[in-house]
Amino acid sequence: DGGITQSPKYLFRKEGQNVTLSCEQNLNHDAMYWYRQDPGQGLRLIYYSQIVNDFQKGDIAEGYSVSREKKESFPLTVTSAQKNPTAFYLCASEGTRGIQYFGAGTRLSVL
Amino acid sequence: AQSVAQPEDQVNVAEGNPLTVKCTYSVSGNPYLFWYVQYPNRGLQFLLKYITGDNLVKGSYGFEAEFNKSQTSFHLKKPSALVSDSALYFCAVATDSWGKLQFGAGTQVVVTP
Repeated sequence: DGGITQSPKYLFRKEGQNVTLSCEQNLNHDAMYWYRQDPGQGLRLIYYSQIVNDFQKGDIAEGYSVSREKKESFPLTVTSAQKNPTAFYLCASEGTRGIQYFGAGTRLSVL
Repeated sequence: AQSVAQPEDQVNVAEGNPLTVKCTYSVSGNPYLFWYVQYPNRGLQFLLKYITGDNLVKGSYGFEAEFNKSQTSFHLKKPSALVSDSALYFCAVATDSWGKLQFGAGTQVVVTP
Protein backbone atom coordinates (compact mmCIF):
# COMPACT_ATOMS: atom_id res chain seq x y z
CA ASP A 1 0.00 0.00 0.00
CA GLY A 2 2.25 2.77 -1.28
CA GLY A 3 5.19 2.47 1.12
CA ILE A 4 3.19 2.49 4.36
CA THR A 5 3.60 -0.65 6.45
CA GLN A 6 1.28 -1.40 9.35
CA SER A 7 1.75 -4.29 11.72
CA PRO A 8 0.36 -6.51 12.95
CA LYS A 9 -2.55 -7.11 10.61
CA TYR A 10 -4.67 -8.52 13.48
CA LEU A 11 -4.28 -7.76 17.17
CA PHE A 12 -6.12 -8.92 20.25
CA ARG A 13 -6.22 -6.98 23.48
CA LYS A 14 -7.01 -8.28 26.92
CA GLU A 15 -8.86 -6.09 29.39
CA GLY A 16 -6.53 -3.67 31.16
CA GLN A 17 -3.76 -4.16 28.61
CA ASN A 18 -2.00 -1.54 26.51
CA VAL A 19 -1.23 -2.51 22.93
CA THR A 20 0.92 -0.77 20.34
CA LEU A 21 0.23 -0.61 16.62
CA SER A 22 3.20 -0.06 14.34
CA CYS A 23 3.29 2.29 11.34
CA GLU A 24 6.40 2.72 9.20
CA GLN A 25 6.79 4.70 5.97
CA ASN A 26 9.60 4.86 3.43
CA LEU A 27 8.13 7.74 1.42
CA ASN A 28 10.12 10.47 3.20
CA HIS A 29 6.89 12.24 4.17
CA ASP A 30 6.84 14.70 7.05
CA ALA A 31 3.17 14.39 8.03
CA MET A 32 1.60 11.20 9.37
CA TYR A 33 -1.88 10.37 10.65
CA TRP A 34 -3.78 7.75 12.63
CA TYR A 35 -7.44 7.07 11.91
CA ARG A 36 -10.03 4.80 13.43
CA GLN A 37 -12.63 3.21 11.16
CA ASP A 38 -15.92 1.86 12.48
CA PRO A 39 -18.69 0.51 10.23
CA GLY A 40 -20.91 3.28 8.89
CA GLN A 41 -18.88 6.07 10.49
CA GLY A 42 -16.15 6.76 8.00
CA LEU A 43 -12.68 7.57 9.29
CA ARG A 44 -12.09 9.57 12.45
CA LEU A 45 -8.77 11.24 13.20
CA ILE A 46 -7.01 10.07 16.37
CA TYR A 47 -3.62 11.82 16.23
CA TYR A 48 -1.47 13.49 13.62
CA SER A 49 2.13 14.63 13.35
CA GLN A 50 3.48 17.23 10.97
CA ILE A 51 7.11 16.79 11.92
CA VAL A 52 9.42 14.67 14.04
CA ASN A 53 9.04 15.14 17.81
CA ASP A 54 5.72 16.93 17.41
CA PHE A 55 2.17 15.60 17.29
CA GLN A 56 -1.37 16.88 17.84
CA LYS A 57 -4.61 15.38 19.09
CA GLY A 58 -7.30 14.68 16.55
CA ASP A 59 -11.02 14.35 17.12
CA ILE A 60 -10.97 11.16 19.23
CA ALA A 61 -7.60 11.11 21.03
CA GLU A 62 -8.87 9.97 24.44
CA GLY A 63 -7.49 6.57 25.38
CA TYR A 64 -4.72 6.70 22.78
CA SER A 65 -1.11 7.88 22.75
CA VAL A 66 1.54 8.31 20.05
CA SER A 67 5.21 9.16 19.62
CA ARG A 68 7.19 10.50 16.66
CA GLU A 69 10.87 9.96 17.42
CA LYS A 70 11.79 9.17 13.83
CA LYS A 71 10.46 10.51 10.54
CA GLU A 72 9.72 7.00 9.33
CA SER A 73 7.79 5.78 12.36
CA PHE A 74 4.54 6.82 14.07
CA PRO A 75 3.39 4.11 16.53
CA LEU A 76 -0.03 4.25 18.18
CA THR A 77 -0.67 2.87 21.66
CA VAL A 78 -4.20 1.92 22.58
CA THR A 79 -4.29 2.25 26.34
CA SER A 80 -6.51 0.52 28.89
CA ALA A 81 -8.39 3.82 29.18
CA GLN A 82 -9.88 3.23 25.73
CA LYS A 83 -13.01 1.30 26.69
CA ASN A 84 -14.17 0.49 23.18
CA PRO A 85 -11.03 -0.26 21.19
CA THR A 86 -12.48 -2.75 18.72
CA ALA A 87 -12.03 -1.14 15.28
CA PHE A 88 -9.96 -1.03 12.13
CA TYR A 89 -6.99 1.32 12.53
CA LEU A 90 -5.43 3.06 9.56
CA CYS A 91 -2.16 4.94 9.35
CA ALA A 92 -1.41 7.42 6.58
CA SER A 93 1.34 9.74 5.48
CA GLU A 94 0.93 12.85 3.40
CA GLY A 95 2.78 13.56 0.20
CA THR A 96 2.71 16.51 -2.16
CA ARG A 97 -0.53 18.36 -2.84
CA GLY A 98 -2.14 16.98 0.29
CA ILE A 99 -2.63 13.43 -0.95
CA GLN A 100 -2.62 10.88 1.85
CA TYR A 101 -1.21 7.38 1.38
CA PHE A 102 -2.64 4.66 3.58
CA GLY A 103 -1.35 1.45 5.06
CA ALA A 104 -3.31 -1.81 4.89
CA GLY A 105 -4.63 -1.38 8.41
CA THR A 106 -4.65 -3.21 11.73
CA ARG A 107 -7.82 -4.85 13.00
CA LEU A 108 -7.96 -4.70 16.79
CA SER A 109 -10.31 -6.90 18.78
CA VAL A 110 -10.90 -7.37 22.48
CA LEU A 111 -10.60 -10.82 24.06
CA ALA B 1 -16.30 23.45 11.22
CA GLN B 2 -16.14 21.34 8.11
CA SER B 3 -18.34 18.37 7.30
CA VAL B 4 -19.06 15.95 4.51
CA ALA B 5 -22.26 14.08 3.70
CA GLN B 6 -22.61 11.01 1.56
CA PRO B 7 -26.38 10.55 1.43
CA GLU B 8 -26.39 6.99 0.08
CA ASP B 9 -25.15 4.06 2.15
CA GLN B 10 -25.12 1.87 -0.96
CA VAL B 11 -25.34 2.33 -4.70
CA ASN B 12 -26.25 -0.58 -6.94
CA VAL B 13 -25.51 -0.44 -10.65
CA ALA B 14 -25.30 -2.93 -13.50
CA GLU B 15 -21.98 -3.39 -15.25
CA GLY B 16 -21.68 -1.03 -18.22
CA ASN B 17 -24.10 1.52 -16.78
CA PRO B 18 -23.07 4.96 -15.50
CA LEU B 19 -22.05 5.19 -11.87
CA THR B 20 -22.60 8.24 -9.65
CA VAL B 21 -21.65 8.51 -5.98
CA LYS B 22 -22.93 11.66 -4.28
CA CYS B 23 -21.07 13.97 -1.90
CA THR B 24 -21.96 17.32 -0.40
CA TYR B 25 -19.77 19.38 1.87
CA SER B 26 -19.82 22.29 4.28
CA VAL B 27 -16.76 24.43 4.95
CA SER B 28 -16.08 27.99 6.07
CA GLY B 29 -13.39 28.68 3.48
CA ASN B 30 -12.30 27.34 0.12
CA PRO B 31 -12.58 23.57 0.02
CA TYR B 32 -10.01 20.99 -0.94
CA LEU B 33 -12.03 17.93 -1.97
CA PHE B 34 -10.91 14.33 -2.32
CA TRP B 35 -12.26 10.92 -3.30
CA TYR B 36 -10.72 7.72 -1.97
CA VAL B 37 -11.64 4.08 -2.56
CA GLN B 38 -11.30 1.16 -0.14
CA TYR B 39 -11.33 -2.51 -1.02
CA PRO B 40 -12.17 -5.06 1.71
CA ASN B 41 -9.67 -5.18 4.59
CA ARG B 42 -7.36 -2.72 2.87
CA GLY B 43 -6.32 0.88 3.28
CA LEU B 44 -7.73 3.74 1.24
CA GLN B 45 -6.45 4.57 -2.22
CA PHE B 46 -6.50 8.09 -3.66
CA LEU B 47 -8.73 8.57 -6.71
CA LEU B 48 -8.81 12.30 -7.39
CA LYS B 49 -8.67 15.77 -5.89
CA TYR B 50 -10.07 19.25 -6.49
CA ILE B 51 -8.17 22.32 -5.33
CA THR B 52 -8.99 25.02 -7.84
CA GLY B 53 -9.42 25.44 -11.57
CA ASP B 54 -11.59 23.28 -13.79
CA ASN B 55 -14.73 22.07 -12.12
CA LEU B 56 -14.39 18.66 -13.78
CA VAL B 57 -11.55 16.66 -12.29
CA LYS B 58 -10.29 13.46 -13.88
CA GLY B 59 -8.73 10.76 -11.76
CA SER B 60 -7.60 7.16 -11.66
CA TYR B 61 -9.38 4.14 -13.19
CA GLY B 62 -11.65 6.26 -15.41
CA PHE B 63 -13.30 8.14 -12.56
CA GLU B 64 -14.08 11.84 -12.62
CA ALA B 65 -15.78 14.27 -10.28
CA GLU B 66 -17.59 17.55 -10.78
CA PHE B 67 -17.17 20.41 -8.34
CA ASN B 68 -20.31 22.51 -7.99
CA LYS B 69 -19.78 25.50 -5.72
CA SER B 70 -23.38 26.68 -5.68
CA GLN B 71 -24.67 23.26 -4.67
CA THR B 72 -21.60 22.52 -2.48
CA SER B 73 -21.32 19.13 -4.14
CA PHE B 74 -18.50 16.97 -5.45
CA HIS B 75 -20.14 13.91 -7.01
CA LEU B 76 -17.98 11.04 -8.27
CA LYS B 77 -18.82 9.61 -11.68
CA LYS B 78 -17.79 6.88 -14.06
CA PRO B 79 -19.40 6.54 -17.50
CA SER B 80 -19.33 2.73 -17.59
CA ALA B 81 -19.03 0.76 -14.34
CA LEU B 82 -17.04 -2.46 -13.99
CA VAL B 83 -17.60 -5.30 -11.53
CA SER B 84 -14.12 -4.52 -10.19
CA ASP B 85 -15.36 -1.03 -9.19
CA SER B 86 -17.31 -2.66 -6.35
CA ALA B 87 -15.81 -1.12 -3.22
CA LEU B 88 -16.35 1.46 -0.47
CA TYR B 89 -15.96 5.06 -1.62
CA PHE B 90 -15.14 7.99 0.64
CA CYS B 91 -15.45 11.69 0.00
CA ALA B 92 -13.26 13.99 2.13
CA VAL B 93 -12.78 17.73 2.57
CA ALA B 94 -10.04 19.96 3.97
CA THR B 95 -9.74 23.72 4.21
CA ASP B 96 -5.95 23.80 4.18
CA SER B 97 -3.64 22.56 1.49
CA TRP B 98 -2.59 19.75 3.79
CA GLY B 99 -4.05 17.17 6.10
CA LYS B 100 -6.85 17.16 8.65
CA LEU B 101 -9.30 15.65 6.26
CA GLN B 102 -12.93 15.29 7.27
CA PHE B 103 -14.29 12.06 5.78
CA GLY B 104 -17.83 11.16 4.86
CA ALA B 105 -19.35 7.94 6.17
CA GLY B 106 -18.68 6.15 2.91
CA THR B 107 -20.84 4.71 0.13
CA GLN B 108 -20.72 1.03 -0.75
CA VAL B 109 -20.82 0.53 -4.52
CA VAL B 110 -22.05 -2.80 -5.82
CA VAL B 111 -21.68 -3.46 -9.54
CA THR B 112 -23.50 -6.55 -10.77
CA PRO B 113 -22.56 -8.45 -13.94
